[in-house]
Amino acid sequence: GAVVSQHPSRVICKSGTSVKIECRSLDFQATTMFWYRQFPKQSLMLMATSNEGSKATYEQGVEKDKFLINHASLTLSTLTVTSAHPEDSSFYICSARSGVRTEAFFGQGTRLTVV
Amino acid sequence: QKEVEQNSGPLSVPEGAIASLNCTYSDRGSQSFFWYRQYSGKSPELIMFIYSNGDKEDGRFTAQLNKASQYVSLLIRDSQPSDSATYLCAVNGRGATNKLIFGTGTLLAVQP
Repeated sequence: GAVVSQHPSRVICKSGTSVKIECRSLDFQATTMFWYRQFPKQSLMLMATSNEGSKATYEQGVEKDKFLINHASLTLSTLTVTSAHPEDSSFYICSARSGVRTEAFFGQGTRLTVV
Repeated sequence: QKEVEQNSGPLSVPEGAIASLNCTYSDRGSQSFFWYRQYSGKSPELIMFIYSNGDKEDGRFTAQLNKASQYVSLLIRDSQPSDSATYLCAVNGRGATNKLIFGTGTLLAVQP
């Protein structure tokens, strides 16, 4: 399968600071990337979908000014959690898909803890 | 009605048995169907995808699709303790974003 690399795998930050998470497709061009959040023992919650070179489409209830998504190239998308608060602590996961395929591949996930 | 429904489980099977995981979806126009496996604390891993009615086999895994009944299943033969995980069913949604819609997952426990 295709390889998607997500970094960092784990981050602890202070309340009020911003955190950037990177998602890279290593061996294919990711025309679409998805960002998910998952709380303990709950299912994946789609936050936003981004297509290379265009603005992200956010799901209902997700604050676009708080969760900034940039998909500037076909191999890199970033999610920045701005002014993080303890309630933002969660497992954030990206997935990427090539335009010619319908299956999506996931990064390793980032466990964010805001203290 | 949820777009993709799965029984949350846990589904407990003895080692060596066949585990049967089921999923139903609401959008009759869905075209692509996926099964992901997620170990606790890890991100999902793609196991199989299926587009056409019928069965698709890959090693110990068989995906079954019945579009008329809006039903997709995953069979795991010769279940192993290492198969114990949450299995997520996903369906490709229609529309411009063509996003994957996930079920809540079924927790499978294979007993040694």
